[in-house]
Amino acid sequence: TQLLEQSPQFLSIQEGENLTVYCNSSSVFSSLQWYRQEPGEGPVLLVTVVTGGEVKKLKRLTFQFGDARKDSSLHITAAQPGDTGLYLCAGADFQKLVFGTGTRLLVSP
Amino acid sequence: DSGVTQTPKHLITATGQRVTLRCSPRSGDLSVYWYQQSLDQGLQFLIQYYNGEERAKGNILERFSAQQFPDLHSELNLSSLELGDSALYFCASSPGASGTNEQFFGPGTRLTVL
Repeated sequence: TQLLEQSPQFLSIQEGENLTVYCNSSSVFSSLQWYRQEPGEGPVLLVTVVTGGEVKKLKRLTFQFGDARKDSSLHITAAQPGDTGLYLCAGADFQKLVFGTGTRLLVSP
Repeated sequence: DSGVTQTPKHLITATGQRVTLRCSPRSGDLSVYWYQQSLDQGLQFLIQYYNGEERAKGNILERFSAQQFPDLHSELNLSSLELGDSALYFCASSPGASGTNEQFFGPGTRLTVL
């Protein structure tokens, strides 16, 4: 069974701080997706990265796919309370997505 | 709003009972996926249907079954329920057959087994 380990598990920061969330695996994935989930709702897709070394930016969020396509990172600049939520990475493995263990982020005003 | 709808929003039942969860995919999407999310197991893939046919299977128990109907809505049937089946159940949809496509999730059904 493939595993995607995310770190940290929990992160509590103040508004305006920067943070990085990591998603690591021993397996190679053809692509990797990042989702954000708010309490009581389903995950919402943020981005898909496909090429090793690829970097994508979505406003204050920067996503990177590792060169070997085994790991990824999400960096948030100047975090805001609206960034609060559960961040999930998901690796594409043949017929299905394998979801990471999740990082729960709390941004306080 | 993802365009994926799930009913009911909440379900409370007793051990040994059977329940049915319903999902309607986004307009035009042919694939439906079912996931279970619990605090200790994270988001676990259960099963995928594409245009009425089972496409991929994950960690789905034998007590659970699913189907996709001609109008593309899907139902997940959970039987002989146990306390450990209490979880959030999500449905997702995507246009194509590949399970690695970007998926759009519904709001989920929270199942509580007492």
